Amino acid sequence: NAGVTQTPKFQVLKTGQSMTLQCAQDMNHEYMSWYRQDPGMGLRLIHYSVGAGITDQGEVPNGYNVSRSTTEDFPLRLLSAAPSQTSVYFCASRRSSGSGDTQYFGPGTRLTVL
Amino acid sequence: AQSVTQLGSHVSVSEGALVLLRCNYSSSVPPYLFWYVQYPNQGLQLLLKYTSAATLVKGINGFEAEFKKSETSFHLTKPSAHMSDAAEYFCAVSVGGGADGLTFGKGTHLIIQP
Repeated sequence: NAGVTQTPKFQVLKTGQSMTLQCAQDMNHEYMSWYRQDPGMGLRLIHYSVGAGITDQGEVPNGYNVSRSTTEDFPLRLLSAAPSQTSVYFCASRRSSGSGDTQYFGPGTRLTVL
Repeated sequence: AQSVTQLGSHVSVSEGALVLLRCNYSSSVPPYLFWYVQYPNQGLQLLLKYTSAATLVKGINGFEAEFKKSETSFHLTKPSAHMSDAAEYFCAVSVGGGADGLTFGKGTHLIIQP
């Protein structure tokens, strides 16, 4: 199993540009989520999905959109990038919505918005 | 809502010394608790988790943690530090019944002195 994969690893955007961060998992996990990591802030939940066709907002959803058309893929879209979105983004998945399940993290995407 | 506090953004220990990383949580319902480790420029890897089966939890790489309900704590320990333990460590909490993601502490950077 490849686990959770993310592309790209690095990205530089200009303010106002849009882009999609890709995330895929091959473990047939129901639950997927996106976090952002900022220095001294830990990780904060952006959006999550409990299954194909179902998404919901996390702690910091503004400026981001998600969709879940398949079990495997959970892309994160930035519609109009802002410098405040400079961060490291992690995608994660777990077997089900059960809170005791282990979450598996991807390697991250480092995004810089100029 | 649940929260996590990690005491000490940086902890420095000598190689061979005891490692103690502190984590206190706040939750109105019985929590699930996790410790993750992040090596430089990598994603998060699960060290151990508490899911109410046993209060003393053993994890990978010689780490363990003890759940103390009366103290609302879940401190991480390792008897003898290795240089390879230098990393960022995150405590996280999740509560049962919902699809919420993990709530993370802000992290503790562990420095190992030779």
